[in-house]
Amino acid sequence: SQQGEEDPQALSIQEGENATMNCSYKTSINNLQWYRQNSGRGLVHLILIRSNEREKHSGRLRVTLDTSKKSSSLLITASRAADTASYFCATMGNSGYSTLTFGKGTMLLVSP
Amino acid sequence: NAGVTQTPKFQVLKTGQSMTLQCAQDMNHEYMSWYRQDPGMGLRLIHYSVGAGITDQGEVPNGYNVSRSTTEDFPLRLLSAAPSQTSVYFCASSQQGGSEYGYTFGSGTRLTVV
Repeated sequence: SQQGEEDPQALSIQEGENATMNCSYKTSINNLQWYRQNSGRGLVHLILIRSNEREKHSGRLRVTLDTSKKSSSLLITASRAADTASYFCATMGNSGYSTLTFGKGTMLLVSP
Repeated sequence: NAGVTQTPKFQVLKTGQSMTLQCAQDMNHEYMSWYRQDPGMGLRLIHYSVGAGITDQGEVPNGYNVSRSTTEDFPLRLLSAAPSQTSVYFCASSQQGGSEYGYTFGSGTRLTVV
């Protein structure tokens, strides 16, 4: 079953605007990761945030994690047409051989 | 180029046929996984391996077998293809579970079972 659930399912914005995607999960985690997938391609790792971290930045990306609410958000600032893609959150549990469990993704469309 | 290589990129099978999806990585990663991606379902874990000789089942293992005889290779075998196995299959690898670099994904194999 899916661990993470992204919200919204689809998001359409103009270039230059900020895009915010949310992810909720159900069980305790070791870390949460965000991935991007361009149409017809494999997934690309964007950023990882550990359970003891609250916020992390990487370029135009800002990720927050609230373990009390079991939720995370991904903010892309000053969006570009090239940011058009699907974005997935993935959680890793605390067991010894933990694997990544993915949500269903948010489709982001950035129009010029 | 370093990364995860999947072959073939496209495959059409008839119901009941068997085949092997190949996955190879040249980054000396310990962790390797197979996912399938279906419309509206996100990615679901089929099988994974934490090192050579060690494999385990994921969320949707039925109809699939794996083995890990070397660090580099992690093939996925479809024993008797069914239309329900029509999907896009991704192989991924990682240095360790919580690596800052996350998982590296292959470009996928699009499989159609008729």
